Amino acid sequence: EPEVTQTPSHQVTQMGQEVILRCVPISNHLYFYWYRQILGQKVEFLVSFYNNEISEKSEIFDDQFSVERPDGSNFTLKIRSTKLEDSAMYFCASSDSVGGGAYYNEQFFGPGTRLTVL
Amino acid sequence: SQKIEQNSEALNIQEGKTATLTCNYTNYSPAYLQWYRQDPGRGPVFLLLIRENEKEKRKERLKVTFDTTLKQSLFHITASQPADSATYLCALSGYSTLTFGKGTMLLVSP
Repeated sequence: EPEVTQTPSHQVTQMGQEVILRCVPISNHLYFYWYRQILGQKVEFLVSFYNNEISEKSEIFDDQFSVERPDGSNFTLKIRSTKLEDSAMYFCASSDSVGGGAYYNEQFFGPGTRLTVL
Repeated sequence: SQKIEQNSEALNIQEGKTATLTCNYTNYSPAYLQWYRQDPGRGPVFLLLIRENEKEKRKERLKVTFDTTLKQSLFHITASQPADSATYLCALSGYSTLTFGKGTMLLVSP
């Protein structure tokens, strides 16, 4: 069964450093997403991506964050200068666009990357 | 701002019983509502989606109801099993977003 994969599973970095989190969405999906979950808190939407551009983004997704689909399979989240409060589990997700929209399609989540900022 | 409330306390039930989880929302009129399961340290896994014009949706032992007047969804697991123990997340669908509640932990004891 197709699945979303994410690398690395755990990333430790120093405050102020840049990190790139990588995701391989399900191959025939057209919508891609990043979410984060701080320990003990809810899953929070960061950004959605469709047709090689950002579709929506939350207030969390400020200028320190960027996303890219560098080739036909990978989808990346870059944090330019990490802060302590960026420590969280980051989930990538993808969905199909049956019927032309993302909002009534289930999202398939990856296993997550745990980011620890020291 | 949008607010989604799920019971913060864990729900403990015995195997074989029906578990009922509640999701209430305010300041929002979603056309779609989704339920996900999340195990510790794992990503959410989709369970069911219900549209605003559907009152009820079933899948095997799972049932979801959606009352847009009350702004509430109920999620039922019948004949619960210890393997159903997990956190269950309610999510409201935007155009290309999901807004999650904090989730309710379900513990099914043998």
